[in-house]
Amino acid sequence: SQQGEEDPQALSIQEGENATMNCSYKTSINNLQWYRQNSGRGLVHLILIRSNEREKHSGRLRVTLDTSKKSSSLLITASRAADTASYFCATPSGTSYGKLTFGQGTILTVHP
Amino acid sequence: KAGVTQTPRYLIKTRGQQVTLSCSPISGHRSVSWYQQTPGQGLQFLFEYFSETQRNKGNFPGRFSGRQFSNSRSEMNVSTLELGDSALYLCASTRRLAGAYEQYFGPGTRLTVT
Repeated sequence: SQQGEEDPQALSIQEGENATMNCSYKTSINNLQWYRQNSGRGLVHLILIRSNEREKHSGRLRVTLDTSKKSSSLLITASRAADTASYFCATPSGTSYGKLTFGQGTILTVHP
Repeated sequence: KAGVTQTPRYLIKTRGQQVTLSCSPISGHRSVSWYQQTPGQGLQFLFEYFSETQRNKGNFPGRFSGRQFSNSRSEMNVSTLELGDSALYLCASTRRLAGAYEQYFGPGTRLTVT
Protein backbone atom coordinates (compact mmCIF):
# COMPACT_ATOMS: atom_id res chain seq x y z
CA SER A 1 0.00 0.00 0.00
CA GLN A 2 1.11 3.55 -0.56
CA GLN A 3 2.28 5.47 2.46
CA GLY A 4 1.97 8.84 0.82
CA GLU A 5 -1.05 10.16 -0.95
CA GLU A 6 -0.59 13.15 -3.16
CA ASP A 7 -2.94 15.87 -4.12
CA PRO A 8 -3.75 16.97 -6.72
CA GLN A 9 -3.15 14.06 -9.07
CA ALA A 10 -2.62 16.51 -11.90
CA LEU A 11 -1.88 20.22 -12.04
CA SER A 12 -1.76 22.46 -15.09
CA ILE A 13 -0.40 26.01 -14.85
CA GLN A 14 1.19 28.77 -16.90
CA GLU A 15 4.87 29.65 -16.81
CA GLY A 16 5.64 32.07 -14.04
CA GLU A 17 2.87 30.80 -11.75
CA ASN A 18 3.50 28.93 -8.55
CA ALA A 19 2.70 25.24 -8.19
CA THR A 20 1.78 23.61 -4.90
CA MET A 21 1.60 19.87 -4.34
CA ASN A 22 0.55 18.16 -1.17
CA CYS A 23 1.43 14.83 0.34
CA SER A 24 -0.14 12.99 3.25
CA TYR A 25 1.29 9.96 4.99
CA LYS A 26 0.07 7.50 7.55
CA THR A 27 2.76 6.54 10.02
CA SER A 28 5.36 8.42 12.00
CA ILE A 29 8.45 9.31 10.01
CA ASN A 30 11.88 10.73 10.66
CA ASN A 31 12.13 12.35 7.26
CA LEU A 32 10.28 12.88 4.01
CA GLN A 33 11.77 13.24 0.57
CA TRP A 34 10.53 14.75 -2.66
CA TYR A 35 11.50 13.49 -6.10
CA ARG A 36 10.89 14.60 -9.66
CA GLN A 37 10.51 12.28 -12.61
CA ASN A 38 10.55 13.38 -16.19
CA SER A 39 8.51 11.23 -18.51
CA GLY A 40 9.60 7.61 -18.25
CA ARG A 41 12.98 8.40 -16.74
CA GLY A 42 14.67 7.97 -13.39
CA LEU A 43 13.80 9.91 -10.29
CA VAL A 44 15.73 13.00 -9.34
CA HIS A 45 16.14 13.72 -5.64
CA LEU A 46 14.90 17.23 -4.88
CA ILE A 47 14.91 17.74 -1.15
CA LEU A 48 14.83 15.91 2.17
CA ILE A 49 13.12 17.39 5.20
CA ARG A 50 13.58 15.93 8.65
CA SER A 51 10.81 15.46 11.16
CA ASN A 52 12.21 18.22 13.36
CA GLU A 53 12.14 20.70 10.50
CA ARG A 54 9.07 22.68 9.52
CA GLU A 55 10.28 24.28 6.34
CA LYS A 56 13.15 23.91 3.93
CA HIS A 57 14.20 25.81 0.83
CA SER A 58 16.24 24.86 -2.18
CA GLY A 59 16.34 27.35 -5.02
CA ARG A 60 12.77 27.80 -6.25
CA LEU A 61 11.56 24.91 -4.10
CA ARG A 62 9.98 25.28 -0.70
CA VAL A 63 8.96 22.25 1.30
CA THR A 64 6.95 22.27 4.49
CA LEU A 65 6.28 19.45 6.91
CA ASP A 66 3.51 19.25 9.48
CA THR A 67 4.04 16.09 11.52
CA SER A 68 0.88 16.71 13.57
CA LYS A 69 -1.18 16.49 10.39
CA LYS A 70 1.12 13.97 8.75
CA SER A 71 1.38 16.11 5.67
CA SER A 72 3.94 17.89 3.54
CA SER A 73 3.76 20.34 0.69
CA LEU A 74 6.08 21.20 -2.16
CA LEU A 75 5.91 24.69 -3.62
CA ILE A 76 7.63 25.52 -6.88
CA THR A 77 7.80 29.25 -7.41
CA ALA A 78 8.00 31.03 -10.76
CA SER A 79 7.51 27.76 -12.63
CA ARG A 80 9.10 27.07 -15.99
CA ALA A 81 8.17 24.73 -18.82
CA ALA A 82 11.16 22.61 -17.81
CA ASP A 83 9.44 21.93 -14.46
CA THR A 84 6.90 19.77 -16.30
CA ALA A 85 7.25 16.37 -14.66
CA SER A 86 5.75 14.04 -12.08
CA TYR A 87 6.52 14.81 -8.46
CA PHE A 88 6.55 12.19 -5.73
CA CYS A 89 6.86 12.28 -2.00
CA ALA A 90 8.53 9.34 -0.31
CA THR A 91 8.95 8.21 3.25
CA PRO A 92 11.25 5.61 4.77
CA SER A 93 9.61 2.49 6.12
CA GLY A 94 10.29 2.27 9.83
CA THR A 95 13.99 1.82 10.51
CA SER A 96 14.60 0.45 7.04
CA TYR A 97 16.36 3.34 5.41
CA GLY A 98 16.90 1.50 2.15
CA LYS A 99 13.17 1.15 1.58
CA LEU A 100 11.08 4.12 0.55
CA THR A 101 7.34 4.14 0.16
CA PHE A 102 6.13 6.48 -2.55
CA GLY A 103 2.93 8.33 -3.15
CA GLN A 104 1.13 8.08 -6.46
CA GLY A 105 2.57 11.39 -7.55
CA THR A 106 1.36 14.68 -8.97
CA ILE A 107 1.67 15.28 -12.69
CA LEU A 108 2.64 18.91 -13.22
CA THR A 109 2.29 20.52 -16.63
CA VAL A 110 3.67 24.02 -17.10
CA HIS A 111 2.52 25.72 -20.28
CA PRO A 112 4.88 28.21 -21.94
CA LYS B 1 30.97 11.59 -8.93
CA ALA B 2 29.24 9.54 -11.56
CA GLY B 3 25.60 8.82 -10.90
CA VAL B 4 23.81 5.52 -10.63
CA THR B 5 24.05 3.57 -13.85
CA GLN B 6 21.71 0.87 -15.06
CA THR B 7 22.06 -1.50 -17.96
CA PRO B 8 20.48 -2.22 -20.28
CA ARG B 9 18.20 0.78 -20.70
CA TYR B 10 15.62 -1.11 -22.74
CA LEU B 11 14.73 -4.76 -23.03
CA ILE B 12 12.11 -6.73 -24.89
CA LYS B 13 11.51 -10.28 -23.76
CA THR B 14 8.98 -12.99 -24.36
CA ARG B 15 6.76 -14.58 -21.75
CA GLY B 16 8.51 -17.43 -19.99
CA GLN B 17 12.01 -16.09 -20.53
CA GLN B 18 14.22 -14.72 -17.80
CA VAL B 19 16.03 -11.42 -17.58
CA THR B 20 18.92 -9.94 -15.61
CA LEU B 21 19.24 -6.23 -14.96
CA SER B 22 22.36 -4.54 -13.65
CA CYS B 23 22.95 -1.53 -11.45
CA SER B 24 26.14 0.26 -10.42
CA PRO B 25 25.67 2.58 -7.45
CA ILE B 26 27.41 5.85 -6.83
CA SER B 27 30.98 5.29 -5.70
CA GLY B 28 31.10 4.83 -1.95
CA HIS B 29 27.42 3.96 -1.56
CA ARG B 30 27.00 0.48 -0.17
CA SER B 31 23.23 0.17 -0.20
CA VAL B 32 21.34 -0.59 -3.39
CA SER B 33 17.56 -0.73 -3.62
CA TRP B 34 15.36 -1.83 -6.49
CA TYR B 35 11.89 -0.59 -7.39
CA GLN B 36 9.32 -1.50 -9.98
CA GLN B 37 7.21 1.25 -11.52
CA THR B 38 4.00 0.55 -13.43
CA PRO B 39 1.11 2.85 -14.35
CA GLY B 40 -1.30 0.82 -12.24
CA GLN B 41 0.71 0.14 -9.09
CA GLY B 42 3.08 3.10 -9.10
CA LEU B 43 6.49 2.75 -7.49
CA GLN B 44 6.89 -0.41 -5.47
CA PHE B 45 9.88 -1.55 -3.48
CA LEU B 46 11.43 -4.83 -4.58
CA PHE B 47 14.46 -5.35 -2.34
CA GLU B 48 17.49 -3.75 -0.80
CA TYR B 49 21.05 -4.98 -0.55
CA PHE B 50 23.76 -3.81 1.77
CA SER B 51 27.25 -5.29 1.89
CA GLU B 52 26.19 -8.23 -0.30
CA THR B 53 23.27 -9.12 1.99
CA GLN B 54 19.60 -8.71 1.27
CA ARG B 55 18.32 -6.52 4.03
CA ASN B 56 14.73 -5.96 2.96
CA LYS B 57 12.34 -7.54 0.52
CA GLY B 58 9.08 -6.22 -0.85
CA ASN B 59 5.94 -8.14 -1.57
CA PHE B 60 6.92 -9.76 -4.85
CA PRO B 61 6.91 -13.42 -5.87
CA GLY B 62 10.02 -15.54 -5.68
CA ARG B 63 10.53 -15.10 -9.43
CA PHE B 64 12.13 -11.80 -8.51
CA SER B 65 15.57 -12.14 -7.02
CA GLY B 66 18.72 -10.14 -6.69
CA ARG B 67 22.25 -10.07 -5.47
CA GLN B 68 25.01 -7.67 -4.70
CA PHE B 69 28.69 -8.04 -5.38
CA SER B 70 31.67 -7.02 -3.29
CA ASN B 71 32.07 -3.83 -5.34
CA SER B 72 28.44 -2.91 -4.46
CA ARG B 73 27.20 -3.48 -7.98
CA SER B 74 23.85 -5.24 -7.97
CA GLU B 75 21.84 -7.39 -10.29
CA MET B 76 18.22 -8.36 -10.24
CA ASN B 77 16.77 -11.33 -12.02
CA VAL B 78 13.23 -12.09 -13.05
CA SER B 79 12.51 -15.65 -14.11
CA THR B 80 9.54 -17.00 -16.04
CA LEU B 81 8.50 -13.58 -17.23
CA GLU B 82 4.84 -12.63 -17.30
CA LEU B 83 3.15 -9.86 -19.23
CA GLY B 84 2.55 -8.04 -15.95
CA ASP B 85 6.28 -7.76 -15.37
CA SER B 86 6.44 -5.10 -18.05
CA ALA B 87 7.60 -2.05 -16.13
CA LEU B 88 10.31 0.48 -15.51
CA TYR B 89 12.81 -1.01 -13.06
CA LEU B 90 14.66 1.55 -11.03
CA CYS B 91 17.76 1.11 -8.96
CA ALA B 92 18.80 3.51 -6.22
CA SER B 93 21.88 3.90 -4.09
CA THR B 94 21.67 5.37 -0.64
CA ARG B 95 23.90 7.79 1.19
CA ARG B 96 23.74 8.72 4.82
CA LEU B 97 23.57 12.42 5.54
CA ALA B 98 23.52 13.55 9.15
CA GLY B 99 21.34 10.70 10.34
CA ALA B 100 19.02 10.67 7.36
CA TYR B 101 19.32 8.65 4.20
CA GLU B 102 18.89 9.97 0.68
CA GLN B 103 18.33 7.71 -2.29
CA TYR B 104 19.70 8.51 -5.71
CA PHE B 105 18.12 6.80 -8.66
CA GLY B 106 19.44 5.55 -11.95
CA PRO B 107 17.69 6.16 -15.29
CA GLY B 108 15.91 2.81 -15.11
CA THR B 109 15.55 -0.20 -17.34
CA ARG B 110 12.37 -0.34 -19.40
CA LEU B 111 11.33 -3.98 -19.67
CA THR B 112 8.65 -4.99 -22.12
CA VAL B 113 7.32 -8.55 -22.01
CA THR B 114 5.43 -9.73 -25.08
